[in-house]
Amino acid sequence: EAQVTQNPRYLITVTGKKLTVTCSQNMNHEYMSWYRQDPGLGLRQIYYSMNVEVTDKGDVPEGYKVSRKEKRNFPLILESPSPNQTSLYFCASSLGGFSEAFFGQGTRLTVV
Amino acid sequence: SQQGEEDPQALSIQEGENATMNCSYKTSINNLQWYRQNSGRGLVHLILIRSNEREKHSGRLRVTLDTSKKSSSLLITASRAADTASYFCATADQGAQKLVFGQGTRLTINP
Repeated sequence: EAQVTQNPRYLITVTGKKLTVTCSQNMNHEYMSWYRQDPGLGLRQIYYSMNVEVTDKGDVPEGYKVSRKEKRNFPLILESPSPNQTSLYFCASSLGGFSEAFFGQGTRLTVV
Repeated sequence: SQQGEEDPQALSIQEGENATMNCSYKTSINNLQWYRQNSGRGLVHLILIRSNEREKHSGRLRVTLDTSKKSSSLLITASRAADTASYFCATADQGAQKLVFGQGTRLTINP
């Protein structure tokens, strides 16, 4: 089954404690991206990757890092989380930046 | 960055009625897509319409695109309770390798 898998689904952490949200896809897609969803603001792109070792900033990259060492994985790293990063996060993959996107189930992050 | 604007923000109708949602955008696009999101879950792709297409159908869904007005509409016919969800339009902007999402329309179908 074609899918994008994110882990964890829920996470509560404290300010400043580094965390990683994993994302994996099994569709051999070249393009992967991370979004955050906040009430009234819709989905905003954090980072995207057009292929292995190629990543670029989206609209709201501050406070986040990503890496793309393998085609299937695209982890999101928060080096020093802050309360304003409390949000619902989605990973997505697609054949290209214009193509139909497949989304993971989301990670609800709370930073206290 | 530019976003599509959906209208209305919320829509509540009776089961069996048709639901229409609109999306306006500001830039030149390669295509426009519609997605559905059930209560905090991942978005699911519904339909993609290219910039040179004017109308597209998929089951009970009908999408139109008017590039001169920079607008699109999603029509769901014969609505069902299971259609209750948020619906988002996403534009694939020319020159930008990404989708830009609107804020969504929250649709409620009352039994």
